[in-house]
Amino acid sequence: EDKVVQSPLSLVVHEGDTVTLNCSYEVTNFRSLLWYKQEKKAPTFLFMLTSSGIEKKSGRLSSILDKKELFSILNITATQTGDSAIYLCAVNSGGSNYKLTFGKGTLLTVNP
Amino acid sequence: DAGITQSPRYKITETGRQVTLMCHQTWSHSYMFWYRQDLGHGLRLIYYSAAADITDKGEVSDGYVVSRSKTENFPLTLESATRSQTSVYFCASGGQGLDQPQHFGDGTRLSIL
Repeated sequence: EDKVVQSPLSLVVHEGDTVTLNCSYEVTNFRSLLWYKQEKKAPTFLFMLTSSGIEKKSGRLSSILDKKELFSILNITATQTGDSAIYLCAVNSGGSNYKLTFGKGTLLTVNP
Repeated sequence: DAGITQSPRYKITETGRQVTLMCHQTWSHSYMFWYRQDLGHGLRLIYYSAAADITDKGEVSDGYVVSRSKTENFPLTLESATRSQTSVYFCASGGQGLDQPQHFGDGTRLSIL
C-alpha cells in the first residue's frame, strides 16, 4: 500500500522565521511528488517535482526532491501571516490513472 | 469563468437519504476525481474517471456511486447516507501527462444527521 508521511503535523512560528516541512513516501511506482497549500477552501497547487536534486522555487517558497532517500522538503523563508495554512504533500504513484496519495498535511500557523 | 465548481457548498441531510454532489469543470480535462477530507485522515480518493464513461474505485468507494456521461461533469451520489459519510468532499480535475497537476474545487461540506 502506498504511503505518504508528513512531519511535523503542526508548527507554530513567528513572522520572519524560516520553516522546513517534510514529506517522506513509500510507493510502488513513483512518477511525481506534488505540494499543495490549503487555506479555508480548495487545496491550491504549489509545486510538482519529478527529478532528484532539482529545486523548484516560487518567491519565498522552494522545494526539493530526493528520490534515493524517498523524501521531499518544502522551505518557506521570511514567513508571513498569510502563509498560515495546511500544506499537503501528495505522490502520483503511477500507472496511467494519475491518482494521488496524500499525506495528512502540516498545519502551519504564523503569528505576528 | 474557467475552472472547477462544486455544488452545493453546504448540505445537511438525514441518514438513509440519497444525496448527489455536483462537479463541473471548464478546462476539458480528461481526468476527474472525488476525495473526502476528514480530520486525522487527510484527503482520500473515493472515485476517479479517466474520460467520459470510464470510472474506477478509489480507496474509500463503499456507499458511493459516480457517473460521467459528459467530460465536464462528474456527480457523486451517496445512495443511502450514513453518519460516517459526514465530511468535506473535494472534486478535482487534471489533464493527461506527467506534468499535469490536479486542480481542486472549493469543496462541499456535507453533514448527515
